[in-house]
Amino acid sequence: DVKVTQSSRYLVKRTGEKVFLECVQDMDHENMFWYRQDPGLGLRLIYFSYDVKMKEKGDIPEGYSVSREKKERFSLILESASTNQTSMYLCASSDTGGSEKLFFGSGTQLSVL
Amino acid sequence: QKEVEQDPGPLSVPEGAIVSLNCTYSNSAFQYFMWYRQYSRKGPELLMYTYSSGNKEDGRFTAQVDKSSKYISLFIRDSQPSDSATYLCATELGGATNKLIFGTGTLLAVQP
Repeated sequence: DVKVTQSSRYLVKRTGEKVFLECVQDMDHENMFWYRQDPGLGLRLIYFSYDVKMKEKGDIPEGYSVSREKKERFSLILESASTNQTSMYLCASSDTGGSEKLFFGSGTQLSVL
Repeated sequence: QKEVEQDPGPLSVPEGAIVSLNCTYSNSAFQYFMWYRQYSRKGPELLMYTYSSGNKEDGRFTAQVDKSSKYISLFIRDSQPSDSATYLCATELGGATNKLIFGTGTLLAVQP
């Protein structure tokens, strides 16, 4: 089974802090994604990556950046955390050819105070 | 208008009931249609995947796509308490876009 592991289940940070969310997948997938999930808004795509060192903006990239130095690892960076970035963050991966079969991690619930 | 609309619920049904979950979408170019299930405090997992119009059955689950009315449905027969979860519909243009568009999810509770 594909396993997508997110480093933290819960995080509490202060406004203005730089925050790193880490994600690792173990199935050699080409594509990796970062979503945030908010009540009433559903899943929104922040960034995605087709390959190592490649990244593409999703629908809500403002205030975020990403890093993919190794194929299995995709990091989401909040440059200066703000309270409106309090959310559930979900990492996902998929094989080449289509993102329809996404495999998700369990999520990181981030609270910014 | 959102590209994918989904009633958030919550929907509460007794065990054994037939459940119908629905989404509508706005872009007739969407080709792939999916249903994801998300248990509390977990990430979504792919439940059903269909291409274009028609029905697809997998055990107690049937996914239906009507492209003429831009309507996506998921039917659950003989619902069980273990089916209690949030169900997310999703769609994709296909080709090189590689981006899913999700509905907001419907929370389902199956009462024993």
